[in-house]
Amino acid sequence: AQSVTQLDSQVPVFEEAPVELRCNYSSSVSVYLFWYVQYPNQGLQLLLKYLSGSTLVKGINGFEAEFNKSQTSFHLRKPSVHISDTAEYFCAVIRNSGGSNYKLTFGKGTLLTVNP
Amino acid sequence: GAGVSQTPSNKVTEKGKYVELRCDPISGHTALYWYRQSLGQGPEFLIYFQGTGAADDSGLPNDRFFAVRPEGSVSTLKIQRTERGDSAVYLCASSLLGSSDTQYFGPGTRLTVL
Repeated sequence: AQSVTQLDSQVPVFEEAPVELRCNYSSSVSVYLFWYVQYPNQGLQLLLKYLSGSTLVKGINGFEAEFNKSQTSFHLRKPSVHISDTAEYFCAVIRNSGGSNYKLTFGKGTLLTVNP
Repeated sequence: GAGVSQTPSNKVTEKGKYVELRCDPISGHTALYWYRQSLGQGPEFLIYFQGTGAADDSGLPNDRFFAVRPEGSVSTLKIQRTERGDSAVYLCASSLLGSSDTQYFGPGTRLTVL
């Protein structure tokens, strides 16, 4: 089984400041990793994903994440946030082969609040 | 193009009643998923359809929950004898093929059981 830990339930930052949202995972098999964003009263939207190759992944809205296999981490970063980035962010994993390789396992989410 | 849609967006019901939640996936997507998101939690897997059949329903919490996808497109999640603990946001997602394909989520149905 897989598990995902998002270390911060809430992250308040000021506009134009950099931000890092932390994600660690546990799995006995290889996984793919995802970050989703959920704006108020909306569904989950894919920000970025890591499948293979370069460990630095760039996504939409200026976000990027780095896969670190030795530390089993996939932290999300943005160098300068905007008010509009205020949302809940979810890290998720999925097995990349074998049984149940369609079942996303999510962390509990991190609420990013960007203040003016 | 159109994304995943879910109806209703909100559903309030009384304990013991029956409810149906509908999901319209992205056209052409063969795989469909249901997840449940309780307050303060991430989404949790309920069931996975590949075509018309439920390939994995291991996440359904008990036999009060049932889902169908009769024509391989629209899916309905059915909950019998609702309980207050069923209150949550029910999310539907679809993907082109299944396996580790990117899943695209709908806006969810917020179910409140009084």
